[in-house]
Amino acid sequence: DTEVTQTPKHLVMGMTNKKSLKCEQHMGHRAMYWYKQKAKKPPELMFVYSYEKLSINESVPSRFSPECPNSSLLNLHLHALQPEDSALYLCASSQRRGVESGELFFGEGSRLTVL
Amino acid sequence: RKEVEQDPGPFNVPEGATVAFNCTYSNSASQSFFWYRQDCRKEPKLLMSVYSSGNEDGRFTAQLNRASQYISLLIRDSKLSDSATYLCVVNVRSSASKIIFGSGTRLSIRP
Repeated sequence: DTEVTQTPKHLVMGMTNKKSLKCEQHMGHRAMYWYKQKAKKPPELMFVYSYEKLSINESVPSRFSPECPNSSLLNLHLHALQPEDSALYLCASSQRRGVESGELFFGEGSRLTVL
Repeated sequence: RKEVEQDPGPFNVPEGATVAFNCTYSNSASQSFFWYRQDCRKEPKLLMSVYSSGNEDGRFTAQLNRASQYISLLIRDSKLSDSATYLCVVNVRSSASKIIFGSGTRLSIRP
């Protein structure tokens, strides 16, 4: 079982809805990530938080808004999404950022469908 | 040019075969390298790190060639359970560390 927990596992929303994805880890990791994965494609980096501060935003549209309330929690707020935003959203954590931080622990993902 | 490139496959090999995947990376600032495995509709999981001297974990051997900027993964005596997508992952340390995934190589082991 993964030690990174994501909720909800599945989400269907309309283009005018506001929803949030949640991610939690209790491994004491200080770096947390959001990735987006479309079918048959690799995960694409969206955001990186390091010590609860946003350190990387990969030019993600503002309809995706990340939030890191504390070192264990990471949220992704969704507003006015488009159907092409439908994908698997993966949260990951690592012990720290830096050279050795490629060891990512992923949650099972939240599968989002935008109608 | 993509930062991390892999042969997408699919590789379809019989059980017991040896199979090798390659991955190339374009950014010479890349500092650490990994192979991940992703089963269908599951999250990626770390298979092994790749060290400069090469490393082995059971049936799996990883190699790194910094001069040519490629990484390889060799699977010996393949099992049905090895069927998955194998993702090459590179940590690029430029202005900030970025962990980049290759597009993945699909492997299917047949009985």
